[in-house]
Amino acid sequence: QKEVEQDPGPLSVPEGAIVSLNCTYSNSAFQYFMWYRQYSRKGPELLMYTYSSGNKEDGRFTAQVDKSSKYISLFIRDSQPSDSATYLCAINRQAAGNKLTFGGGTRVLVKP
Amino acid sequence: GAVVSQHPSWVICKSGTSVKIECRSLDFQATTMFWYRQFPKQSLMLMATSNEGSKATYEQGVEKDKFLINHASLTLSTLTVTSAHPEDSSFYICSARVTGLSNQPQHFGDGTRLSIL
Repeated sequence: QKEVEQDPGPLSVPEGAIVSLNCTYSNSAFQYFMWYRQYSRKGPELLMYTYSSGNKEDGRFTAQVDKSSKYISLFIRDSQPSDSATYLCAINRQAAGNKLTFGGGTRVLVKP
Repeated sequence: GAVVSQHPSWVICKSGTSVKIECRSLDFQATTMFWYRQFPKQSLMLMATSNEGSKATYEQGVEKDKFLINHASLTLSTLTVTSAHPEDSSFYICSARVTGLSNQPQHFGDGTRLSIL
């Protein structure tokens, strides 16, 4: 079993819809939770970063962490065609030298 | 803030050539940088952790003599692919963390697409 599981998609939604992405993880020692967006042939871009259970909002993005269920989510409101990309969840723990453990990525397509 | 620059963005070269890729933190200092490799439609695979002023730490299965890492300053790490062969063709990405602040995420460069003929 992978340490971080993420549905590969593709997830296709119409413009303006809410995009819902999630990851599950197996190691309760994980402390920090990130979501990155990656466009084709580009490096990942940090969208959200959190370390506590609950919700964190930034513009159209909301990150949700449930440590008891080992489940993290990212919601994108009012989705735009420019949101079409691969979204990667990443988790780390300080004791592991701050190495990131990535999910496999979910490809999202927002259709005009 | 927290901009990471990677150069070159794309390189094509002949088999047997050595290729150097640079990773710079433009507006912050980074004691630690990371080098990843990514195959098409796959997630990032950590190759090594680059530490300023000391030897890099390589992940299991990564040949340290093949992938030479140098982190000579707080803003620059380099990855040299020595005697590159077609199987080394891939997308290489670096990342860096802000030094001096706890609990900082990694910020990524835009990657280098390496094609070996």
